[in-house]
Amino acid sequence: NAGVTQTPKFQVLKTGQSMTLQCAQDMNHNSMYWYRQDPGMGLRLIYYSASEGTTDKGEVPNGYNVSRLNKREFSLRLESAAPSQTSVYFCASRDLKTQYFGPGTRLLVL
Amino acid sequence: AQSVTQLGSHVSVSEGALVLLRCNYSSSVPPYLFWYVQYPNQGLQLLLKYTSAATLVKGINGFEAEFKKSETSFHLTKPSANMSDAAEYFCAVSDRGTALIFGKGTTLSVSS
Repeated sequence: NAGVTQTPKFQVLKTGQSMTLQCAQDMNHNSMYWYRQDPGMGLRLIYYSASEGTTDKGEVPNGYNVSRLNKREFSLRLESAAPSQTSVYFCASRDLKTQYFGPGTRLLVL
Repeated sequence: AQSVTQLGSHVSVSEGALVLLRCNYSSSVPPYLFWYVQYPNQGLQLLLKYTSAATLVKGINGFEAEFKKSETSFHLTKPSANMSDAAEYFCAVSDRGTALIFGKGTTLSVSS
């Protein structure tokens, strides 16, 4: 039982490049989330998916898109990366009451 | 709208001393409240949660927190700090619906 997994662990991009961050969970949870963590800001919600086939914007969705591929997988895409998107990205899934987090992806945009 | 305020971005204690990390919340509905811990270069690990059962909640690693509705607080405590407790701690609130709203975090330093 791996919980929530994320790939890659670390990525360096140049401004304007695109990439997709992958997330998968094996806990059969319906709800999944993408957060970004910046120093002194805590975690802020980018997008979430309450169930397979649905997605909704969170607090900071600009510059991102998501895909809920199936119940297990929820990906985050940066179409044209900007230095302001340098951050640590966390995926989470939720049972009835609690969110469980993946190990994170550190993204550096030059 | 919900919000969380963590008082003190940095708390320093000596090994063996009491740990007290403060969290106040605002919520228009009875909330679920959480404390997560993050060790350097790692993800977030759940320490404990309040989901409308007992108001004194015990978590992992000797931590506990008390939900006080009248004070809208959910402070985290540990009687005796260990060096291994040094980490960043996040308080979070949920309206039982979608996502968590996080505080900005408190870094705990423990000196010998």
